[in-house]
Amino acid sequence: DIQMTQSPSSLSASVGDRVTITCRASQRIGNSLAWYQQKPGKAPKLLLYDASRLESGVPSRFSGSGSGTDYTLTISSLQPEDFATYYCQQYYSSPPITFGQGTRLEIK
Amino acid sequence: EVQLVESGGGLVKPGGSLRLSCVASGFTFSTYSMNWVRQAPGKGLEWVSSISSSSTYIFYADSVKGRFTISRDNAKNSLYLQMNSLRAEDTAVYYCARVPDIVVVPAAMGRKRYYYNYGMDVWGQGTTVTVSS
Repeated sequence: DIQMTQSPSSLSASVGDRVTITCRASQRIGNSLAWYQQKPGKAPKLLLYDASRLESGVPSRFSGSGSGTDYTLTISSLQPEDFATYYCQQYYSSPPITFGQGTRLEIK
Repeated sequence: EVQLVESGGGLVKPGGSLRLSCVASGFTFSTYSMNWVRQAPGKGLEWVSSISSSSTYIFYADSVKGRFTISRDNAKNSLYLQMNSLRAEDTAVYYCARVPDIVVVPAAMGRKRYYYNYGMDVWGQGTTVTVSS
């Protein structure tokens, strides 16, 4: 099974900050990576797929990069609505589909 | 509007059973693979089970294999999860989520490789399952 490890597990930042979240896969996943945003009490929302492709309707301040086993999600200028928990997920090989453990982004 | 609506959650005793449903609307349900993903209280996302568009390929997480059964009825635009022998650790919010259909290609040693080309782009609102005596 492919294990996904996110870092950091939590992060405090201010509105306007640039933040980066990292996701590492236990083996190469060929850019088959998605990022999700989840707010309390809500379902996850797909932000990016194929590591760097923005899902329709997602603001351009969200971007993704990476290759091989290491991937990053960057928010260029944090907005109040961006404070949430973020998950990565690999879809290179299934089963199983695997998620990272999540990164909680909090207001400083 | 593209939508998934889950139902069937509730309180059940350990060892009991529950059947979750997910009704799709606003898209051609029969062309998508579907997943169940759960989230225990205060925890992260855990994939539970997947079913391909025509039910040809069905997969389960090891944690539910032999206890849960996924199925779908494309005529009714519906996805199901039959959960038997429930345990306290099955307590979670259960989400259904769609993904473009699974891709199956030949791999080494006569095996097959299964993968997707996209993330899960539509999710339901979730239904809560609580297993407690």
